[in-house]
Amino acid sequence: AQSVSQHNHHVILSEAASLELGCNYSYGGTVNLFWYVQYPGQHLQLLLKYFSGDPLVKGIKGFEAEFIKSKFSFNLRKPSVQWSDTAEYFCAVNARNRDDKIIFGKGTRLHILP
Amino acid sequence: DAGVTQSPTHLIKTRGQQVTLRCSPKSGHDTVSWYQQALGQGPQFIFQYYEEEERQRGNFPDRFSGHQFPNYSSELNVNALLLGDSALYLCASSKGDNPYNEQFFGPGTRLTVL
Repeated sequence: AQSVSQHNHHVILSEAASLELGCNYSYGGTVNLFWYVQYPGQHLQLLLKYFSGDPLVKGIKGFEAEFIKSKFSFNLRKPSVQWSDTAEYFCAVNARNRDDKIIFGKGTRLHILP
Repeated sequence: DAGVTQSPTHLIKTRGQQVTLRCSPKSGHDTVSWYQQALGQGPQFIFQYYEEEERQRGNFPDRFSGHQFPNYSSELNVNALLLGDSALYLCASSKGDNPYNEQFFGPGTRLTVL
């Protein structure tokens, strides 16, 4: 069965630090990949997605993610975080040509110190 | 433009009872998906409705059922509530049943089962 693993459950960084949140999935076929973000008191919203093409995907608010097929990974990055990036981040995967159900990771709580 | 709305916001029930949660999709959207998010976990896919039919289903028992109305709004029903059904229930809408289309999430309904 498909699964998504987010290695860091809670990350604390200072403003201007660089960020990388890990995401690995288990499925050998073709996948669609997503990162969602939930800011405090707000709805879950899409940060970026990868379906095909350039494995380096740019999202909103300066975030990017790189799909590395050989490593089954889709890590989220931001070169310089801001206090407003404090949120919970979810990686999600759905397997194409299978059943298309989206599977979410358990999430990573990111806390940025001002 | 109203986003996805859900009602009620909070709900407290006792074991064995039945509950109905409601969702109105974002304007222009015709597909509704339901998710269960337990504390400290990522959202888990329950099922998806499109054209008033259940199109996909996650690994949830038959106690979980749903409905979609001609105006695309949807209900999630849970029978014979268990303590373990306590969670945040999220509704997401999208246009068409194509998994490539972005899902927009509502604020959720917090269900507590005593």
